[in-house]
Amino acid sequence: QSVLTQPPSVSGAPGQRVTISCTGSSSNIGAGYDVQWYQQLPGTAPKLFIYGNSNRPSGVPDRFSGSKSGTSASLAITGLQAEDEADYYCQSYDSSLSGSVFGGGTKLTVL
Amino acid sequence: EVQLVESGGGLVQPGRSLRLSCAASGFTFDDYAMHWVRQAPGKGLEWVSGISWNSGSIGYADSVKGRFTISRDNAKNSLYLQMNSLRPEDTALYYCAKGSLPAAYFNWFDPWGQGTLVTVSS
Repeated sequence: QSVLTQPPSVSGAPGQRVTISCTGSSSNIGAGYDVQWYQQLPGTAPKLFIYGNSNRPSGVPDRFSGSKSGTSASLAITGLQAEDEADYYCQSYDSSLSGSVFGGGTKLTVL
Repeated sequence: EVQLVESGGGLVQPGRSLRLSCAASGFTFDDYAMHWVRQAPGKGLEWVSGISWNSGSIGYADSVKGRFTISRDNAKNSLYLQMNSLRPEDTALYYCAKGSLPAAYFNWFDPWGQGTLVTVSS
């Protein structure tokens, strides 16, 4: 299993708000290391969507926002659109493993 | 435009070796760490290895430590992954990704290449 824990799936209707959680531990998120989020559309490479816990790269809609508290982080998507349907992964650094770690991924379905 | 193009994947028997390459362009290659991340078919992402800008700092996932070796040639803007003693569980799409920092650690990955498929099977 992954070092960072994400729900396998979330869903929402167009226009709704959904959140995806990412739970870690004291050796990664809880240690203060930044959390990133990646979007992976079917058949494509992952794309950076949030970096440094809450920063959006240029081109990422402001409907996407990230936050971090304690040993967890969250990705929130407001005004859900069909094009948001994808897999989302959180990522951080783990001091016990001395390397980067990913969550298991969450499949977002737009109903 | 930043571009990362992986090559070297293929079908290989268990216990054999394979060398992956990643050709980078569109940025100052020796200013950044570089990483390999893999994705087994239908599975999630797994960080494999990272190397600092000057090769002075290198990290590996426990699952590949002692079998895989990452390296880079800044003169050729290229990243490599030498994979030895391959196992069926190494079967995956291997992505090359640009790090966010010169150091190998605490990075995020942006952008990613399109990946090269490694299949380990007899």
